[in-house]
Amino acid sequence: KAGVTQTPRYLIKTRGQQVTLSCSPISGHRSVSWYQQTPGQGLQFLFEYFSETQRNKGNFPGRFSGRQFSNSRSEMNVSTLELGDSALYLCASYQGGGRETQYFGPGTRLLVL
Amino acid sequence: QQQVKQSPQSLIVQKGGISIINCAYENTAFDYFPWYQQFPGKGPALLIAIRPDVSEKKEGRFTISFNKSAKQFSLHIMDSQPGDSATYFCAATGVVYNFNKFYFGSGTKLNVKP
Repeated sequence: KAGVTQTPRYLIKTRGQQVTLSCSPISGHRSVSWYQQTPGQGLQFLFEYFSETQRNKGNFPGRFSGRQFSNSRSEMNVSTLELGDSALYLCASYQGGGRETQYFGPGTRLLVL
Repeated sequence: QQQVKQSPQSLIVQKGGISIINCAYENTAFDYFPWYQQFPGKGPALLIAIRPDVSEKKEGRFTISFNKSAKQFSLHIMDSQPGDSATYFCAATGVVYNFNKFYFGSGTKLNVKP
């Protein structure tokens, strides 16, 4: 099976712009989670989607939003970018049946200038 | 409240030595405990995982020790190699409030000196 894929891999934006990141989960996986990782920091949970519904949400401002499509692909959007949004954004998927682990994609490196 | 606490934050080990990373959890609903390895610029990759009904699991040089009564688990890397230099995350997952949830430790940056 192909792993989790994320596009684009790298992005450079300026403050105030918006950005959309895409994630394709492993085939058959219904859950997609998004994480933000900054240098030296752990994995900060953004949100989780399961069967097109947001199931969990982390403590991020409303500028961060997401959605999931019927084929389980997910997108994450950040509006009005700030310098502090520069980070590695990771997507992870799992089947959704319980007692299993998440599988991560390679991430999208976002740089906000 | 931090659900999974990981220590140390960083670790320096000589080549051939044993690297030990510790994690502790709070919620007894957790029933699966994976470890991830992350190299710079890459996504975390599943390394090894354990269920709470097992006290130890070994895969090659990597071993998880699990102490259910103490709610602690640890990763041991035997014969550590420079190629093991990476950040390691422990995690705990289980059904919390009717949903399967994942909680990650804060990570341990391992540096294996040649």
